[in-house]
Amino acid sequence: AQTIHQWPVAEIKAVGSPLSLGCTIKGKSSPNLYWYWQATGGTLQQLFYSITVGQVESVVQLNLSASRPKDDQFILSTEKLLLSHSGFYLCAWSLEGVEQYFGPGTRLTVL
Amino acid sequence: AQSVTQPDARVTVSEGASLQLRCKYSYSGTPYLFWYVQYPRQGLQLLLKYYSGDPVVQGVNGFEAEFIKSNSSFHLRKASVHWSDSAVYFCAVSANYAQGLTFGLGTRVSVFP
Repeated sequence: AQTIHQWPVAEIKAVGSPLSLGCTIKGKSSPNLYWYWQATGGTLQQLFYSITVGQVESVVQLNLSASRPKDDQFILSTEKLLLSHSGFYLCAWSLEGVEQYFGPGTRLTVL
Repeated sequence: AQSVTQPDARVTVSEGASLQLRCKYSYSGTPYLFWYVQYPRQGLQLLLKYYSGDPVVQGVNGFEAEFIKSNSSFHLRKASVHWSDSAVYFCAVSANYAQGLTFGLGTRVSVFP
């Protein structure tokens, strides 16, 4: 069975500090991968997607970047955090179908 | 570009009562439609999906939804809710796998005993 793991579970970071969030999918070969951001109490906004290793497409510019260094890994990062980066970050995967399956999320608080 | 409208930010129902959550989408082609549920401080779980065919689709935990193309709607229903159905429900639309999902603002459902 497939599993999706996100790390860390939660982070508290200072404005201007760097950030790296990770997502790993096990049990699926060559999935499509996605990053979403959710403001507290808000809806989800797609940030990036990737259909293959080394290729990432940006959907929304939020001073964040993403990389896919391995088939089963998707990384979200920034060199300088802003207060507006606070929220809930969700990784998702899909295969041939359009439906996406989400990870447990990482809660980020920027102070 | 596609969009989703969920007109009800909050819905309160008694346990055992029926539930309907409204969703209207905007998309020029034939959309792929979804309902997801989010429990507090958790990720999203897929309840059901519509690609084509029978406009009434069954999902998990007794949920169903009906696609009405003429009304651009995809309302979610459950005949009898349980307190554990308290959560936030998101309607979503997609044109293809690359574009990902466009979500509505969500409806927070509170079920009281």
